[in-house]
Amino acid sequence: DTGVSQDPRHKITKRGQNVTFRCDPISEHNRLYWYRQTLGQGPEFLTYFQNEAQLEKSRLLSDRFSAERPKGSFSTLEIQRTEQGDSAMYLCASSLPGTGEKLFFGSGTQLSVL
Amino acid sequence: AQKITQTQPGMFVQEKEAVTLDCTYDTSDPSYGLFWYKQPSSGEMIFLIYQGSYDQQNATEGRYSLNFQKARKSANLVISASQLGDSAMYFCAMREGSTLGRLYFGRGTQLTVWP
Repeated sequence: DTGVSQDPRHKITKRGQNVTFRCDPISEHNRLYWYRQTLGQGPEFLTYFQNEAQLEKSRLLSDRFSAERPKGSFSTLEIQRTEQGDSAMYLCASSLPGTGEKLFFGSGTQLSVL
Repeated sequence: AQKITQTQPGMFVQEKEAVTLDCTYDTSDPSYGLFWYKQPSSGEMIFLIYQGSYDQQNATEGRYSLNFQKARKSANLVISASQLGDSAMYFCAMREGSTLGRLYFGRGTQLTVWP
């Protein structure tokens, strides 16, 4: 039984560097989501894919952020020219469409920008 | 306006007792879904329970039940017979019918279960 997998678990980078995170959803799930969670807050929606199509993007997703899901399986989230404000936990989730669909979350990637 | 409000930053309960975690929501969409997630210190968000806006009965999943009061726009989580392993952060979330992919989360309630 494989759940949602995220890599890496932790990333420390210097301000101005680019970082890329990977998410592998549950294999039969065609919907994939990225959320960001800062300390003391609930997760905030960033973007969502159905298969390879990016259907919705939050205003939180500035021009420095880009997400892809090229073959409708795994996804990557890239942050260019990182800023200290980008420090957060980046959570990936996947689901099957349907009423009351549950989102299954990965353990997240904790990003620290120095 | 906040879509989801959780007014209890922290709650304490003794093992084997029941506890209620509060959640109120704000939407004008007649179709919506309400969720509760648990986040242990390991960081992974774990789905607990779901309630649809048109569901007539309150949702239950084992020791979890959702006290859904539509007129009050509240969706409180009740955990019966608390266990030490229930200590975690609990998040209430909502999906509006018009936004397919997005969940709105509250700020969470930190539950501590003591022996």
